[in-house]
Amino acid sequence: QLQLQESGPGLVKPSETLSLTCTVSSDSISSSSYYWGWIRQPPGKGLEWIGSIYYSGNTYYNPSLKSRVTISVDTSRNQFSLKVTSVTAADTAVYYCARERSNIPDYWGQGTLVTVSS
Amino acid sequence: QLVLTQSPSASASLGASVKLTCTLSSGHSTYAIAWHQQQPGKGPRYVMKVNSDGSHSKGDGIPDRFSGSSSGPQRYLTISSLQSEDEADYYCQTWGTAFRVFGGGTKVTVL
Repeated sequence: QLQLQESGPGLVKPSETLSLTCTVSSDSISSSSYYWGWIRQPPGKGLEWIGSIYYSGNTYYNPSLKSRVTISVDTSRNQFSLKVTSVTAADTAVYYCARERSNIPDYWGQGTLVTVSS
Repeated sequence: QLVLTQSPSASASLGASVKLTCTLSSGHSTYAIAWHQQQPGKGPRYVMKVNSDGSHSKGDGIPDRFSGSSSGPQRYLTISSLQSEDEADYYCQTWGTAFRVFGGGTKVTVL
């Protein structure tokens, strides 16, 4: 059974960089069939797509976040990662990683809450 | 700009049916969409893809009670024989060459 697990600090100070990693189990991140994505959900609000990456390193980003976001992949560790720079309270959210098949997140991680606060 | 519009809430009685609507913005009526379910306190779960012709394909383990359909720019998710575990937020989602976008979500209450 495919599993995705987010990991990283639960608390980040304003103006600093948020860093998260998604570890993929029971599937290869190097599969040519999938992209791998990050989605976030502020408390009490809806889902927002952040960006997606292919195993080759090809990336797509939400234009509203593009200037602050970097997604990378480590095929040797079967992981992909998210960095968001210059965070503010508006970046407080549950962050999900997901496998994407034909542009659809078809398997999601359980999510991790990241709070931006001093 | 591609926007997905959903009603904020819907409700129906236990054992009844509920039909959720996701409306594609003008000029995008041929796009396929996907539905995702988010039960309280949990991460989202992929439910199904709905094409412009109404054909649909479900995610792993999704019961037959869930079905999809289309009419013009509207995409539907119908849940029949409502169960208590169907009480959740439902999000539609679509995509283009280099982007994905989510609707605002519909909260389904089982009465």
